[in-house]
Amino acid sequence: EDQVTQSPEALRLQEGESSSLNCSYTVSGLRGLFWYRQDPGKGPEFLFTLYSAGEEKEKERLKATLTKKESFLHITAPKPEDSATYLCAVQAGGGSNYKLTFGKGTLLTVNP
Amino acid sequence: DAMVIQNPRYQVTQFGKPVTLSCSQTLNHNVMYWYQQKSSQAPKLLFHYYDKDFNNEADTPDNFQSRRPNTSFCFLDIRSPGLGDAAMYLCATSRDLGRAEQFFGPGTRLTVL
Repeated sequence: EDQVTQSPEALRLQEGESSSLNCSYTVSGLRGLFWYRQDPGKGPEFLFTLYSAGEEKEKERLKATLTKKESFLHITAPKPEDSATYLCAVQAGGGSNYKLTFGKGTLLTVNP
Repeated sequence: DAMVIQNPRYQVTQFGKPVTLSCSQTLNHNVMYWYQQKSSQAPKLLFHYYDKDFNNEADTPDNFQSRRPNTSFCFLDIRSPGLGDAAMYLCATSRDLGRAEQFFGPGTRLTVL
């Protein structure tokens, strides 16, 4: 069974204090790993897709990286508007290749 | 802007009273999904449509049904809501199955009294 574990569950940072969020996964044949941002009471907003180990993608203050067992979301010099829950999801190969298995997310709070 | 729209944003129903949630998309995507997300939990896939083909997840209760009358619209019907069905319901779309990002709507928060 595919599993996704995100850590920490919650992270509180000061504005400008860089850090990383972790997503560990076990999946039979990774087809893709997805990062989403979710604000309270809203739907997840797509951020990145990573397909193979060693791949990296960047968007503004966010950078996502992928290894064979985990992915990191690095946040450089965060601002209060980066506060949100960050969700990681994996898509496996095989018969259920449409299905996203989500982690529970990391709740990020950035204080001014 | 192309988007996924859900109506209503908030829905209150009574225990056992049928309720229908709506999703529409302007992305012209082939696949539409329904997820259930309870507080502080991961979204859980209920079912999806690939074009007109319906695929129900094995652990989705029979109480939940879906309809997709055309490419743009998809409905989630809860026949007899229980207190445990109170949750955020998320609609998502993707261009295709497999390596395709899923784009989510804003969600409908369902309260069951």
